Parts: sequence; structure tokens; C-alpha cells
Amino acid sequence: EAQVTQNPRYLITVTGKKLTVTCSQNMNHEYMSWYRQDPGLGLRQIYYSMNVEVTDKGDVPEGYKVSRKEKRNFPLILESPSPNQTSLYFCASTTTVRDPYTEAFFGQGTRLTVV
Amino acid sequence: DAKTTQPNSMESNEEEPVHLPCNHSTISGTDYIHWYRQLPSQGPEYVIHGLTSNVNNRMASLAIAEDRKSSTLILHRATLRDAAVYYCILRSFARGATNKLIFGTGTLLAVQP
Repeated sequence: EAQVTQNPRYLITVTGKKLTVTCSQNMNHEYMSWYRQDPGLGLRQIYYSMNVEVTDKGDVPEGYKVSRKEKRNFPLILESPSPNQTSLYFCASTTTVRDPYTEAFFGQGTRLTVV
Repeated sequence: DAKTTQPNSMESNEEEPVHLPCNHSTISGTDYIHWYRQLPSQGPEYVIHGLTSNVNNRMASLAIAEDRKSSTLILHRATLRDAAVYYCILRSFARGATNKLIFGTGTLLAVQP
């Protein structure tokens, strides 16, 4: 079954404690991205990756890092989380940036609370 | 990036058709029209997309105006499972375009039994 898997689904952490949210897809997709969803602001893109070792900032990259060492994995790293990063996070993947008619697949989400 | 405008909310009765409108008056010739929906406590999921012609799939139909400045997502028989936020999104195939999906606030569809 085609899917994007995020872990963990829920996480409560303290300010400043580094954390990683993992994302894995089984569809051999080139393009992966991270979004955060906040009430009243909708979904906003944090970072994206067009392929292995190719990453770039989205609209709200401050306070986040990503890496793309393998095609299937695209972890989101918060080096020093702060309360304003409390949010619902989604990972997404799609075949390639050159095909805007293909669908994007989203993970189930990670609800992060930073206290 | 071209923007879309949708009503904040709509209501429907179960088993009846639902027409969800979207305005995209600044759409360019290189923009595809995509629809996604987000069920409660889940990630967005793809519904349908089109360029110029009307489209049908197992989930819904997409009617695109002749000038492409608006479109309508049609759910032929709404079920309780269709209660969700529906997003109308434009994706460009112009040179240099990214795959970023720009989500607006969408339309919250409530389905009454």
C-alpha cells in the first residue's frame, strides 16, 4: 500500500531539547516536503527536497532543519524547540517536481507540543 | 502564485449532491486545478485535478469554467464520511515551478444525516 509514514504521532517536549520527526515513503517519490498546520493560518510549507541531497527552504523554515540522505526518508529536525513550534506537522511526497498533475500523498501528522 | 477563493463553510444533507465552488481569477495557462480534502485528525488527501476539461473519478467530478477562472467540485451523493475541509489549489507546470501546494483556508463541509 502506498503510504507516507510519520513518527511519532504525538510528542510533548520541553524547550531546547532537540528532537527529530521521521518521515518515510514507499513510493520511490523524488519530491518530499514538510508542512505545519496552525489554526487560522492553514498549512504552510517548511522545507522541501527535490531529490536525494537536494533540499530548500519553504515559507517558514526558521528553527527547522532537514536532511535527505536516502530517497525514502526525509526527517525534520528541531535543534532547539520553542513553544511557537507547537503545531501539527505533515510530511508529503509526490513523484517529481516536473509533474504538477500527479497527486501528493500526506502522512497522518505529528502533533507536537513544546512546553 | 495564483490564489484561490472558497466559501468558509457549506452544509449538505446526506445522499444529496454537493457543489463546492472555487474562484481563481488570476489563474495562468500553466496552472492545474487540484482539489484536496482533509478529514478530521488526518492529513490532506488528493481528490481530483484538471486543466481545462471536466473530469470524473471515483471520488468526485470537477467542472471547470470555460475561461478557467472558476471551478466546482461535485460530490454526487454526500455521505457522513465526506465531512471535511476541502481545498482548491493551483499547481503550475511552468519552468522553474516547484511542487509547493499553497493551501488556503478551504471550505468546511458539514453533512447532516
